[in-house]
Amino acid sequence: NAGVMQNPRHLVRRRGQEARLRCSPMKGHSHVYWYRQLPEEGLKFMVYLQKENIIDESGMPKERFSAEFPKEGPSILRIQQVVRGDSAAYFCASSPGRGTNYGYTFGSGTRLTVV
Amino acid sequence: GNSVTQMEGPVTLSEEAFLTINCTYTATGYPSLFWYVQYPGEGLQLLLKATKADDKGSNKGFEATYRKETTSFHLEKGSVQVSDSAVYFCALSQEAAGNKLTFGGGTRVLVKP
Repeated sequence: NAGVMQNPRHLVRRRGQEARLRCSPMKGHSHVYWYRQLPEEGLKFMVYLQKENIIDESGMPKERFSAEFPKEGPSILRIQQVVRGDSAAYFCASSPGRGTNYGYTFGSGTRLTVV
Repeated sequence: GNSVTQMEGPVTLSEEAFLTINCTYTATGYPSLFWYVQYPGEGLQLLLKATKADDKGSNKGFEATYRKETTSFHLEKGSVQVSDSAVYFCALSQEAAGNKLTFGGGTRVLVKP
């Protein structure tokens, strides 16, 4: 049973390009969370999705960032017109349910570098 | 809103030394509390958790006790190894907050032989 798969592991984009980060949750997990880790900082919540629905996007920047979790396929975090400040590690976590007793499984992250 | 504060690092120790990483939290009600570990270049792994007051989470020689009266969840290990070198994150979650994790800033631990 594969864990949470994120790809690519490393992504380099020039300023103004688009970045697309993918997250395939664990089998049987329908809840996906995205977190961002800026250099030398802790993880900050970005968005919580359940199949085809955005449940909580209170941590998403208002512009340029979007997320989806379609019925089929991985969850996608999309960053348009990237800037240097978007350079960070982006982690996805999945869970089988929403209650506090459900555990999260984290992926290995995508490290985005904007040059 | 919810918040987690943990001691800043880096913490440098010799092998077999005692490790304590302090963590305090601010939340209404009774959150679940977690410690995650991040090894270099990797994602986060759940180390241990506690879901109610006075619970003790333990794993791989690490322990932490949920102290409601002091709103703390300090991580301890009696004898560290070089392989324990990593960044440790304290976190909480609450159903009322959509079950998302709120993390502390992380504490880097370096164990020298």
